[in-house]
Amino acid sequence: DVKVTQSSRYLVKRTGEKVFLECVQDMDHENMFWYRQDPGLGLRLIYFSYDVKMKEKGDIPEGYSVSREKKERFSLILESASTNQTSMYLCASSLKPPLPQHFGDGTRLSIL
Amino acid sequence: DAKTTQPPSMDCAEGRAANLPCNHSTISGNEYVYWYRQIHSQGPQYIIHGLKNNETNEMASLIITEDRKSSTLILPHATLRDTAVYYCIVRVDNYGQNFVFGPGTRLSVLP
Repeated sequence: DVKVTQSSRYLVKRTGEKVFLECVQDMDHENMFWYRQDPGLGLRLIYFSYDVKMKEKGDIPEGYSVSREKKERFSLILESASTNQTSMYLCASSLKPPLPQHFGDGTRLSIL
Repeated sequence: DAKTTQPPSMDCAEGRAANLPCNHSTISGNEYVYWYRQIHSQGPQYIIHGLKNNETNEMASLIITEDRKSSTLILPHATLRDTAVYYCIVRVDNYGQNFVFGPGTRLSVLP
């Protein structure tokens, strides 16, 4: 089975802090994705990566950056956390489309 | 991505088949139908996907109508652990797109 592991289930940070969310997959997938999920807005793509050291912006990249130094690991960075970044963050990985994306259990991030 | 329409909620008796419908009347030829489910406080779980033909895996079956304007997800023997929100998603086979998760169908499996 595909395993996508996110480092924290719950995280509380303060406004202005630099926040790191980590994601690891164990299936040698080329593609990795970061989404946020908010009530009424569904899933929105922040960034994705189709290879090591490659990254592409999704629909809402502002305020975020990513790092992919190794194939199995994709990190999301909130450069200076703000309260409007309070959300559920979901990491996913996949082989080439149309094969499906597999999601981690999410990190519920609260910015105070 | 094509818009999908699902009933907001359904009940199913434990051990019976759960049939979850999805309408996607504006689907285009290169769009796949994917089904995911999300149990409270967990990430979405992939169930099954298909393009034209019916598909079956260890979790479920997917029946797509010949005109591809609707589909049905079938859980053959529903258990209490199948209680979740089920999402039908239609999207093209490329990168970098939002998963347009609509409201989905809240399936309650009753003992």
